[in-house]
Amino acid sequence: DIQMTQSPSSLSASVGDRVTISCRANQSISTYLNWYQQKPGKAPNLLIYSASTLQTGVPSRFTGSGSETDFALTINSLQPEDFATYFCQQSYRTPRTFGPGTNVDIK
Amino acid sequence: QLQLQESGPGLVKPSETLSLTCAISGGSISSSSWWSWLRQSPGKGLEWIGEIYHTGYTNYNPSLKSRVTMSVDKSKNYFSLNLNAVTAADTAVYYCARDFVVRAVKLYFDHWGQGMLVTVSS
Repeated sequence: DIQMTQSPSSLSASVGDRVTISCRANQSISTYLNWYQQKPGKAPNLLIYSASTLQTGVPSRFTGSGSETDFALTINSLQPEDFATYFCQQSYRTPRTFGPGTNVDIK
Repeated sequence: QLQLQESGPGLVKPSETLSLTCAISGGSISSSSWWSWLRQSPGKGLEWIGEIYHTGYTNYNPSLKSRVTMSVDKSKNYFSLNLNAVTAADTAVYYCARDFVVRAVKLYFDHWGQGMLVTVSS
């Protein structure tokens, strides 16, 4: 299986901050990398697919970058509704696997 | 708008079979999509269990393959998950989701059910 890691595991930030979350795969996955946001008691919600393509309806303050093994999700000007947990997921090879998540909470 | 809804028992005894269904509304199970089951637990995070196509073709996570069976009911527009010989480690929130496919590549999960907590306990 392809192993996904994320850093940091959690971070505290303020409204208006710029936040970057890293995701790393233990082998090359090209750009087959997706980002999801999850709020407590809810299902994950797709934010970005294919490393950098914004899903329809997702605010443009979310950007994704990277390829091969190293990826990043950046949230520009953090909004109150952005406090949540973020997961990366690879779709390069079955079984699809997820990172352990990064919790973004309010400083 | 495509919607998915999980249903089934919320409590299953150890060694028995966990059975869940995912009802699809606002779309057809016979579309070109694949349909997946995933689960989430504090100990193992998000885990993909397997997927099924409307023809009945399946792919399972090797870590669970010996205990998993998935099926479709096209007349009722739903798909199902059976996980046998459960233990406490199978306690999790179970989600059904749609696999978005582009040129035969399953790219991402774009629609999810709300999730259902299944507890394995005697």
